[in-house]
Amino acid sequence: RKEVEQDPGPFNVPEGATVAFNCTYSNSASQSFFWYRQDCRKEPKLLMSVYSSGNEDGRFTAQLNRASQYISLLIRDSKLSDSATYLCVVHRGNTPLVFGKGTRLSVIA
Amino acid sequence: NAGVTQTPKFQVLKTGQSMTLQCAQDMNHEYMSWYRQDPGMGLRLIHYSVGAGITDQGEVPNGYNVSRSTTEDFPLRLLSAAPSQTSVYFCASRQSGVSYTFGSGTRLTVV
Repeated sequence: RKEVEQDPGPFNVPEGATVAFNCTYSNSASQSFFWYRQDCRKEPKLLMSVYSSGNEDGRFTAQLNRASQYISLLIRDSKLSDSATYLCVVHRGNTPLVFGKGTRLSVIA
Repeated sequence: NAGVTQTPKFQVLKTGQSMTLQCAQDMNHEYMSWYRQDPGMGLRLIHYSVGAGITDQGEVPNGYNVSRSTTEDFPLRLLSAAPSQTSVYFCASRQSGVSYTFGSGTRLTVV
């Protein structure tokens, strides 16, 4: 079983829609969690960290459920510019970050 | 503040050739890593370093060497290039407790 698993998509949604991505991780010792965004042929960039209490940044909301080892990202009022691949990332201790394969989102006009 | 700088951006090699992908960061980050990204495979860790003089293998280390003689630099060496090493290579760095900053990548084709 891969350490971080995501639905690869693609998710094709109209502008203005709400879309949710899910991610599960297998190592219960994981301590830190992130969502990265990667545009086509570009490097991944940090979108937001994920905190146990859940956190929001504008139209983006991240949730963490440690008991179920589950992370989610909700995007409200989708924009064309949200089209990208979203990577779920987990981390523990001094080990490198572990990336999921990503979920591709296409927002359609 | 340049962040993480990778060179070259593009490279074509012949099978059997060797080369070094350069990675430099100016943020005094302790941790540096090399990933390769292939279609459908996501980011796979090649080698990583937790500080100058300390390196370790990741998920796919075969065919690659690294060294970390300074905090700033973390070069990746391809010993004898093979077509299976055709990929996009990303270098990333971070400080303890902080997420990664990535370089813009090197697109390598081995023919």
